[in-house]
Amino acid sequence: GAGVSQSPSNKVTEKGKDVELRCDPISGHTALYWYRQSLGQGLEFLIYFQGNSAPDKSGLPSDRFSAERTGGSVSTLTIQRTQQEDSAVYLCASSLAPRGGADTQYFGPGTRLTVL
Amino acid sequence: AQSVAQPEDQVNVAEGNPLTVKCTYSVSGNPYLFWYVQYPNRGLQFLLKYITGDNLVKGSYGFEAEFNKSQTSFHLKKPSALVSDSALYFCAVRDMDSNYQLIWGAGTKLIIKP
Repeated sequence: GAGVSQSPSNKVTEKGKDVELRCDPISGHTALYWYRQSLGQGLEFLIYFQGNSAPDKSGLPSDRFSAERTGGSVSTLTIQRTQQEDSAVYLCASSLAPRGGADTQYFGPGTRLTVL
Repeated sequence: AQSVAQPEDQVNVAEGNPLTVKCTYSVSGNPYLFWYVQYPNRGLQFLLKYITGDNLVKGSYGFEAEFNKSQTSFHLKKPSALVSDSALYFCAVRDMDSNYQLIWGAGTKLIIKP
């Protein structure tokens, strides 16, 4: 079946503008993760959704970042008043369920955000 | 504190030679360990994981990894490297304080030279 999809693949914006990044997880996956990857760096956890539970927002770097997941499927990550330091690749992943951390996360291709 | 270390920023291997990408971890309890690969301008792809059972885990693209509890390591290996194996490799371990989070290594760039 289809993997995790993300859109847009690339986004160039001006400092101060708002951006929305979209993630469409694998059908049937109840868990959804957002990560940020700065150039050549590792993964920074941002937010986690599981079913209808309250999301874990502990990784969001500031209140300019927010995310929602509608109908337990598609998720949108919104960055308000973008700053140059927000430039990075934003990765989305999904998994079947958080079986004590044993589940495999499947990643989308990412959205490369450039803030000018 | 829990952690994952990939001690080499970059590994260079000649095509056809065996390759090893190192990963060590520090967690309490039984670790769940993962390897992912990232090709240029792509997302991460799952290679293999160790949850329990046989210490030698076989994964995608001919890769394997050995869980060594005494050395707290989970090194990624392949008997004969291909140029197409050139990519960024990430090791991750279950965060024991979470039901779902992983602790990620910084990544190792693998370069296979023809």
